[in-house]
Amino acid sequence: EIVLTQSPATLSLSPGERATLSCRASQSVSNYLAWYQQKPGQAPRLLIYDVSNRATGIPARFSGSGSGTDFTLTISSLEPEDFAVYYCQQRSNWPKTFGQGTRLEIK
Amino acid sequence: EVQLVESGGGLVQPGGSLRLSCAASGFTFSSYGMNWVRQAPGKGLEWISYISSSSTTIYYADSVKGRFTISRDNAKNSLYLQMNSLRAEDTAVYYCARDFCSTTSCRYDYWGQGTLVTVSS
Repeated sequence: EIVLTQSPATLSLSPGERATLSCRASQSVSNYLAWYQQKPGQAPRLLIYDVSNRATGIPARFSGSGSGTDFTLTISSLEPEDFAVYYCQQRSNWPKTFGQGTRLEIK
Repeated sequence: EVQLVESGGGLVQPGGSLRLSCAASGFTFSSYGMNWVRQAPGKGLEWISYISSSSTTIYYADSVKGRFTISRDNAKNSLYLQMNSLRAEDTAVYYCARDFCSTTSCRYDYWGQGTLVTVSS
């Protein structure tokens, strides 16, 4: 099973700042990595797939990068609605594991 | 508009059974693989099962293998999860999620709102 480790566990930033979230895989997942956003009481929402492709309707301030085992989700300038929990997921091997999440909170 | 609506959650005793349903609308259900993903209270996401569009391919997480059964009825646009021998650690919100596949990869592009399963005596 591929283990995804996200860091940091919690990130405290202010609106307008840049957020950088990390996801590291225990073995290569090629480019089969996605990012999801989850707000309290809501279902997850797809943000990024195949490392760097934004899902439909996702603002350009969200971007993804990386390859192999190290991946990054960047939010260029935080909006109030961006404060949430973010999960990465690998789609390379079964089971399709998720990272443990990074909580992005308002500083 | 794509909609996925889960139902069937509730309180069940350890060792008991429950059947979850996910009603799909707004898309051609029979063309998509589907998944169940769960989230224990205050915890992260855990993929638990996948079924292909024609039910020919099925996968389970080790944590539920042998106890849970995924199925679908394309005529009824519905996905199911039969959960047997339930344990306290199965307590979670259960989401169904559509598997959208392009030429390059697949991703969960639509999710239901979830249904809560509580296993407790």
